[in-house]
Amino acid sequence: EIVLTQSPATLSLSPGERATLSCRASQSVSSSLAWYQQKPGLAPRLLIYDASKRAPGIPARFSGSGSGTDFTLTISSLEPEDFAVYYCQQRSNWWTFGRGTKVEIK
Amino acid sequence: EVQLVETGGGLIQPGGSLRLSCAASGFTVSSTYMSWVRQAPGRGLEWVSVIFSGGRPYYADSVKGRFTLSRDNTNNTMYLQMNSLRVEDTAVYYCTKDWVSWGQGALVTVSS
Repeated sequence: EIVLTQSPATLSLSPGERATLSCRASQSVSSSLAWYQQKPGLAPRLLIYDASKRAPGIPARFSGSGSGTDFTLTISSLEPEDFAVYYCQQRSNWWTFGRGTKVEIK
Repeated sequence: EVQLVETGGGLIQPGGSLRLSCAASGFTVSSTYMSWVRQAPGRGLEWVSVIFSGGRPYYADSVKGRFTLSRDNTNNTMYLQMNSLRVEDTAVYYCTKDWVSWGQGALVTVSS
């Protein structure tokens, strides 16, 4: 099983700041990595797939990068609605998720 | 518009059985792959099972031999039959199409 390690566990930032979230895979997943946003009581929402492609309707302030074992989700300028939990998911060998990074208001 | 609606959740004793349904609209369930994902209270996401357009299901090791995924093309619905339920199966169960469209989730609580 491919294990995904997300860091940090919690990110405390203010609106307008830049958020940088990390996801590291226990073995190479090539570019088969996705990012999701989840708010309390709601289903996850796909943000990024294939490491860097934005899903339909996702604002340009969300961007993904990386390949192999190291990946980054960047939110260029946090909007109030961006405070949530973010999960990475590998799609190289079935599917596994990281434990999530909570982006909270500082 | 794609819609997914899960039903069938509830409280069940350990060792019991429950069947979740995922009713789809806006597309045909046999045309793509669909998955079940669960989230234990306060925890992260776990992939449970998938069915591809060809119809063969696959399972995570944690549920293999206990859960059965099927679909009814006539009713455009996917099912998850859950047997021999354990306390650790307690979670919100989501169905998803292509990882883009998700249902609202169904809470399954396994407790005595």
